[in-house]
Order: sequence, then C-alpha cells, then structure tokens
Amino acid sequence: KNEVEQSPQNLTAQEGEFITINCSYSVGISALHWLQQHPGGGIVSLFMLSSGKKKHGRLIATINIQEKHSSLHITASHPRDSAVYICAVMNTDKLIFGTGTRLQVFP
Amino acid sequence: ETGVTQSPTHLIKTRGQQVTLRCSSQSGHNTVSWYQQALGQGPQFIFQYYREEENGRGNFPPRFSGLQFPNYSSELNVNALELDDSALYLCASSLVQTDTQYFGPGTRLTVL
Repeated sequence: KNEVEQSPQNLTAQEGEFITINCSYSVGISALHWLQQHPGGGIVSLFMLSSGKKKHGRLIATINIQEKHSSLHITASHPRDSAVYICAVMNTDKLIFGTGTRLQVFP
Repeated sequence: ETGVTQSPTHLIKTRGQQVTLRCSSQSGHNTVSWYQQALGQGPQFIFQYYREEENGRGNFPPRFSGLQFPNYSSELNVNALELDDSALYLCASSLVQTDTQYFGPGTRLTVL
C-alpha cells in the first residue's frame, strides 16, 4: 500500500463544475503539498499546508491532521485547469508523492 | 516560472553509459532535492543536498550520485545506465529543507 493515496486517479468534468480531489496518507507529516503538473512535466506548487484550510483564487485546500486526509477543491472549473494534480507529504525532510489525479475539463 | 532551471531538457543515452543532469536553483535557495518520475507515476525522492552536503537519500542505488556547488547549483550523476532509468528527472529548490519546494521543468532521459 502506498504511503500517499489519491482519488480518483482520473477525473473528467464539464466547464463550470465543482471538483474535489482527495488525498490520504499513512505516515507522520510536517506539511502537505498540492502540486500541479502540466503535460511536458513542469510542476507548480499550489499549496503547502499543515492545518486548516487555504484558498487561492478558485482553488481551496483543506487538511484534517487527525484523519490524515486532505482535499483539493476547484470551483468553477475551466479547461485550463486540465492537468495532473499531485499530493505530496513532507516526511523527515523529504517529499513522498501520490501518483496523481489526471483532470480533464471540457468546454 | 519558478526560477529553477534544468539542463538539458531531453537526453537519449544507451545502456551502460553515464549521464550528468544539471539544476540551477532559485536565487538564495540553499537546498535542492532531486526526484525521478517514471511514466504514469508520482515522483520518487532520490536525494537532497543542503549547503553542499547530502542531507537525505531515498531508495536509489549508489550509481545515483550528486553534487551541490557553492553557488547552490546542483548535478545529478547516474552511472551504468539501465533501461529502467528512463524517466523525467526533476529538481526542486527551497530556502530551507522544510520550506515550499520550487520545481524545475525537468530533464527527460531516455535509455535505449
């Protein structure tokens, strides 16, 4: 079993839909990252959080430390949101990654 | 743009050869981490360098080695390449070990 699990693996949505991607982890962490990876490989850090909730534009990330669970929400999704979203946890100064959720948003 | 650059962007090598990948960190960042991302998988931690010293290593054999220079740029060296080494290699820099990591665009290595 992977130390960081994401669901779903693949997600398709119509433009405007509300999207939720989930991440569960089984190790102790100091922080959790949500990352976005576009075709071609470049990774952008969206959020780093260790408690509560963060919001940036249409993106919202939440974490529940007791339940070892985090969610990434995208409101009013747009085709440009199409990418792979990766959850990664910081464990003893190294990042452990989930396998990612591939999101496709259609117009 | 994160300010982290990697070179080359693509590379093709044959089995048994050696390769050196380069990473230039964001200005002021003294920590660099290297990751291997196989097709369809999440990145896997290779190692981290902090102020020119290795500061942690993942489950990779000794033929994966690295260097960090006084200007905090970094190299990843892989000896005796194997077919399974084909992957996207990502570096990420941060101000300190536990801070937000800024990723470079990656180097795609193909081993034939």
